[in-house]
Amino acid sequence: DAGVIQSPRHEVTEMGQEVTLRCKPISGHDYLFWYRQTMMRGLELLIYFNNNVPIDDSGMPEDRFSAKMPNASFSTLKIQPSEPRDSAVYFCASSGIAGDYEQYFGPGTRLTVT
Amino acid sequence: GQQLNQSPQSMFIQEGEDVSMNCTSSSIFNTWLWYKQEPGEGPVLLIALYKAGELTSNGRLTAQFGITRKDSFLNISASIPSDVGIYFCAGLPSGYNTDKLIFGTGTRLQVFP
Repeated sequence: DAGVIQSPRHEVTEMGQEVTLRCKPISGHDYLFWYRQTMMRGLELLIYFNNNVPIDDSGMPEDRFSAKMPNASFSTLKIQPSEPRDSAVYFCASSGIAGDYEQYFGPGTRLTVT
Repeated sequence: GQQLNQSPQSMFIQEGEDVSMNCTSSSIFNTWLWYKQEPGEGPVLLIALYKAGELTSNGRLTAQFGITRKDSFLNISASIPSDVGIYFCAGLPSGYNTDKLIFGTGTRLQVFP
C-alpha cells in the first residue's frame, strides 16, 4: 500500500523565490496535516484539513505561507516569497476518519533557502 | 498550553540492553501515540494508546497509557542497532475539540554494538 507521498524530497531555492511543496495523502484518509520540523523548534503543526476544508491554520507563520487542498488526493503548501528562516523539513501526514488520531507521515521535503 | 516533556533527552546504550523512556504533562490526554524517526525520514507510528492503564506491545516495544492520563511510557527490550533513532511521544489533549496532536521533543537513542 502506498503511504503518504511528498515531492520534491529536496528543494534548494534563493531567497525571494516561490516554493511549492506537494503531498498526496493515503487514499481514504479524511485528514491531512502539514508540519515543519527544525532543530530549534521541533515538530510544529502548520495547518490541517478535514475533507479538503482547512480546519485550523493557527500554526501558519505568516501570510507568506498558504496551503490548499483542491481534492481528496492532493495538497500543496506554498511559500511566497521564501526567506532563509523558512529552511526546515516539511512533513505532510494523513489520518483516517474522525476519532482515528493515528497520523501517518510522508518522507518530508527538506527545504533550503539561501 | 499543553506541553509534553520527554525524558531522557538522549540515551547511549549497549546492544541487548532494555530501554525505558517516558512522556509527561501537567494536562490530561485522551490519546497517546509513539513514533520513531530515523535520519532523513518521516516519523513512523509505533504504538497508539486510547485508554488509561492500557498496555500495548509491538514486537520488542511496549507502551503504556498512564493511569493518571498525564503520562505514557515506552519500553524497548533487548535493543539492537536498528533501534537507533529519535522517539517522539504525541498526545491528544482532553477537553479540546481538536484533532491536533501535541508532540514531545523526542528521546534520541544510540545503540552501540
